[in-house]
Amino acid sequence: SQTIHQWPATLVQPVGSPLSLECTVEGTSNPNLYWYRQAAGRGLQLLFYSVGIGQISSEVPQNLSASRPQDRQFILSSKKLLLSDSGFYLCAWRTASYNEQFFGPGTRLTVL
Amino acid sequence: KQEVTQIPAALSVPEGENLVLNCSFTDSAIYNLQWFRQDPGKGLTSLLLIQSSQREQTSGRLNASLDKSSGRSTLYIAASQPGDSATYLCAVRLLQTGANNLFFGTGTRLTVIP
Repeated sequence: SQTIHQWPATLVQPVGSPLSLECTVEGTSNPNLYWYRQAAGRGLQLLFYSVGIGQISSEVPQNLSASRPQDRQFILSSKKLLLSDSGFYLCAWRTASYNEQFFGPGTRLTVL
Repeated sequence: KQEVTQIPAALSVPEGENLVLNCSFTDSAIYNLQWFRQDPGKGLTSLLLIQSSQREQTSGRLNASLDKSSGRSTLYIAASQPGDSATYLCAVRLLQTGANNLFFGTGTRLTVIP
């Protein structure tokens, strides 16, 4: 069966520090991968998606970037965090053929 | 642009009661609709997926229906239990191709009182 991992589970970082969140998927190949942010009291906002290695599409202009160095690895990064980057970050995947989406456990990021 | 609305935003029911959560969407050209559950501080767990050609899907005490023409879906939970307490999200995937075609509602926070 397929499994999706995210780490770290929680992170507290000062403003201006760098960020690296990692997501890996097991049990599938060539998935579409997604990064979402869920701010308190708000819905899910799609940040990035990737249909293959090295292919990244950004949905909103922002302070963050994403990379996909391997088929089942998706990384969310920032060079300098802002207070507004605080939130709950969720990684998700779906197969290209079967359009059901699955989510990871999330990373709670607090920027102080 | 697709808009997905979930009403009510919050719901409290006594244990054992049957309940219905509502989801409405503005663009009926959907590929499928998915219901998720989210526990506090956790990721989303997929509950049910209804393809656009289907009217309903069932899993245990859960039954989801889809009326594409009216832009509505309901999630029926039978004999509610305290463990059902969570936020329930619906999401619709549009027919248009591309990865950015999944739209989420803001959820209904359900509390089942023992």
